[in-house]
Amino acid sequence: AQTVTQSQPEMSVQEAETVTLSCTYDTSESNYYLFWYKQPPSRQMILVIRQEAYKQQNATENRFSVNFQKAAKSFSLKISDSQLGDTAMYFCAFGQSSGSRLTFGEGTQLTVNP
Amino acid sequence: GAGVSQSPSNKVTEKGKDVELRCDPISGHTALYWYRQSLGQGLEFLIYFQGNSAPDKSGLPSDRFSAERTGGSVSTLTIQRTQQEDSAVYLCASSSNRGLGETQYFGPGTRLLVL
Repeated sequence: AQTVTQSQPEMSVQEAETVTLSCTYDTSESNYYLFWYKQPPSRQMILVIRQEAYKQQNATENRFSVNFQKAAKSFSLKISDSQLGDTAMYFCAFGQSSGSRLTFGEGTQLTVNP
Repeated sequence: GAGVSQSPSNKVTEKGKDVELRCDPISGHTALYWYRQSLGQGLEFLIYFQGNSAPDKSGLPSDRFSAERTGGSVSTLTIQRTQQEDSAVYLCASSSNRGLGETQYFGPGTRLLVL
């Protein structure tokens, strides 16, 4: 079974600064997908970024980028130029290529301070 | 287009009552998922639909939980004889095909409180 671990329950950052959220996972699969979702107080889960394991290039999406280290089974999220609207719970998730369900970490509560 | 919608937004019920939670996926999405999020926790998978069939319902915690999907669209999650430990946010998601690595798009969830 796959497991996803987020070792930082809470983090804070000053507006306009950069922050990195950590995620590690365990799997015996060779082909899979990784996601970062954001959940603001509204409860809506919003996709931030996704990464296919077969791609060596790290995914980027505007101010959001990942550092995907397949051998180390690490998938960290970097948020540049943090904005107040980035305040949310961030979840790392693992998806099998042959399966369906997503396996989520326990989340990191990020607070961006003015 | 419209996203995933869920109803009701909030539900308060008494222990022992049955509840039904509804999910409307994104139009055309064939895959539909239910997850449960307990307070301060990550998401726990419950069940996956492909069309109207459920090839993976291994996450349902007990036989009090059931779900169905009709017309390849709307899904209903039913909890019978609710217990206080069923209190959680129930999230529905959909994706565009068999779910093989496809992004899942989530609804706003139903917050269930069992008194």
